[in-house]
Amino acid sequence: DSGVTQTPKHLITATGQRVTLRCSPRSGDLSVYWYQQSLDQGLQFLIQYYNGEERAKGNILERFSAQQFPDLHSELNLSSLELGDSALYFCASSPQVGGYEQYFGPGTRLTVT
Amino acid sequence: ELKVEQNPLFLSMQEGKNYTIYCNYSTTSDRLYWYRQDPGKSLESLFVLLSNGAVKQEGRLMASLDTKARLSTLHITAAVHDLSATYFCAVGVDSNYQLIWGAGTKLIIKP
Repeated sequence: DSGVTQTPKHLITATGQRVTLRCSPRSGDLSVYWYQQSLDQGLQFLIQYYNGEERAKGNILERFSAQQFPDLHSELNLSSLELGDSALYFCASSPQVGGYEQYFGPGTRLTVT
Repeated sequence: ELKVEQNPLFLSMQEGKNYTIYCNYSTTSDRLYWYRQDPGKSLESLFVLLSNGAVKQEGRLMASLDTKARLSTLHITAAVHDLSATYFCAVGVDSNYQLIWGAGTKLIIKP
């Protein structure tokens, strides 16, 4: 158990809908990262927050957004969902900003039908 | 463009054999990480390599880092079925705020 929690574990929704994924980092970690993992795309970095501020953006679609709250938990919002958004979404945390070891949560499996 | 390349991407091997997974990267870094992922599961940190010449071993797995060659290796000794998984390497880069990930090596070990 990495200490990173994610909810929900599974989510099934229809195209065009909006969902919110939640992540709580390890105690004391200030950085949160979001990743998408699909069969054909591998592990894709989406976005990073550090202590409430956005620090880096990867291959994140405009339909997706995220934020980190004062208690350091983070939410990833996915809107206007498409079939291709079906994937595993991971949250990871690390103590600091920058390329340090990341601890991964169990993931949220999103299925868009 | 920063790149991290793993090879092979897929490896099927027999139990008891030795093999090596390679991770090449295109930029200067002294931080390299190996992770393991079982199917449908999360990523688990295996090794953290923080300096040139670093070598770490855990059971049948040994990882090393050559920062001058920009190369890390993950060596598997006398493979057992339980090591079947996908292995990712990731490189820490000072100018960025995230790790740069390899595509992963899917390892299947047959009894």
